[in-house]
Amino acid sequence: DTAVSQTPKYLVTQMGNDKSIKCEQNLGHDTMYWYKQDSKKFLKIMFSYNNKELIINETVPNRFSPKSPDKAHLNLHINSLELGDSAVYFCASSLGTSGVQETQYFGPGTRLLVL
Amino acid sequence: ILNVEQSPQSLHVQEGDSTNFTCSFPSSNFYALHWYRWETAKSPEALFVMTLNGDEKKKGRISATLNTKEGYSYLYIKGSQPEDSATYLCAPLLGQNFVFGPGTRLSVLP
Repeated sequence: DTAVSQTPKYLVTQMGNDKSIKCEQNLGHDTMYWYKQDSKKFLKIMFSYNNKELIINETVPNRFSPKSPDKAHLNLHINSLELGDSAVYFCASSLGTSGVQETQYFGPGTRLLVL
Repeated sequence: ILNVEQSPQSLHVQEGDSTNFTCSFPSSNFYALHWYRWETAKSPEALFVMTLNGDEKKKGRISATLNTKEGYSYLYIKGSQPEDSATYLCAPLLGQNFVFGPGTRLSVLP
């Protein structure tokens, strides 16, 4: 069974469109994350979220918004897509909220290409 | 700006060689350090979580040490095997966020 899954695996879309990437974890974890792998292959955190707190990386444009229908899901919605949004987006989850000891389990990534 | 550096950027070793690489990070506002192993076309997988100065963790042929006062961690691989080929990422928890380093790409040649 896949622990952290993302859909779609690939997403090709036009500039200006609105799109969502879905993430689901079946680990019973309380905290979920979204990361962007940039053009230099660095992983940059975008959001961390549990049912109590959303922590946003201040560098993330407000066109990006996380939406969590329940504890097992954290979807990433992107408005008005721009060319620079093209990247691989990774979802991850961890058991608790402390962050300190919490190993993160990553999804397979979603490759977004904005034309 | 929270600067996490890893060196070397890439490394080629022969099968059987032992190797090590470095992660350096700001020592202020430090809470923990995670090491991940990231194979091409796969997701990052956790190796170690370290929190205390002087921590040493070991998993098989791979071990890691942590110096929180000077802000660095070493990852060691003993007797490298081709299946160790991957990018090794460190991610210190600085304040509220994990800051991933750029990774060290290891290639082990048979």
